[in-house]
Amino acid sequence: DAKTTQPNSMESNEEEPVHLPCNHSTISGTDYIHWYRQLPSQGPEYVIHGLTSNVNNRMASLAIAEDRKSSTLILHRATLRDAAVYYCILRDHSGNNAGNMLTFGGGTRLMVKP
Amino acid sequence: EAEVAQSPRYKITEKSQAVAFWCDPISGHATLYWYRQILGQGPELLVQFQDESVVDDSQLPKDRFSAERLKGVDSTLKIQPAELGDSAMYLCASSHDRVVGNTEAFFGQGTRLTVV
Repeated sequence: DAKTTQPNSMESNEEEPVHLPCNHSTISGTDYIHWYRQLPSQGPEYVIHGLTSNVNNRMASLAIAEDRKSSTLILHRATLRDAAVYYCILRDHSGNNAGNMLTFGGGTRLMVKP
Repeated sequence: EAEVAQSPRYKITEKSQAVAFWCDPISGHATLYWYRQILGQGPELLVQFQDESVVDDSQLPKDRFSAERLKGVDSTLKIQPAELGDSAMYLCASSHDRVVGNTEAFFGQGTRLTVV
């Protein structure tokens, strides 16, 4: 499985932008980059995903490096509710069942200070 | 809004007893996952179903754990006998995966198991 590397923890101030990095140097051409987050005492929730181009949605933006070996999840204005563990995951879309797998690493624990 | 339903939310059981968890995925979702999450760690995949078939159960401790999805809809995860080390959060997730890898998975609230 293609693996991802994330910092264990990051801190941010409330109402400031947050950039959460993810390295995936062994990514294959058929891997989508997915981000999930897990709030305390809840199940993970989907944040965003992309393949090659940068993506925006109501929760966040995803910036993907040109060589696709790294990506950055951007929270434009952190709030206290964004304090969570953020997971960067690769999902293969080559068409076999392994592509449906969703394998979590350790993630980045984001702490937001008021 | 459609949700993945799990029950019970909390379960306390004595070691050596049997315990079962139930998951009802979002309607129409073919893929169903069971995860175990130990406190402070990321979720670990136990078993993945595509409809009623097991796609991956390589991390499922088959001597004591079993999972089924008989009609390709809801699913049950069973532990027998439970051990102290099984204390964890058990999460269920589903996705429709019409385009493999390009869809999101939805998670339930989980079942917190404590084995005493």
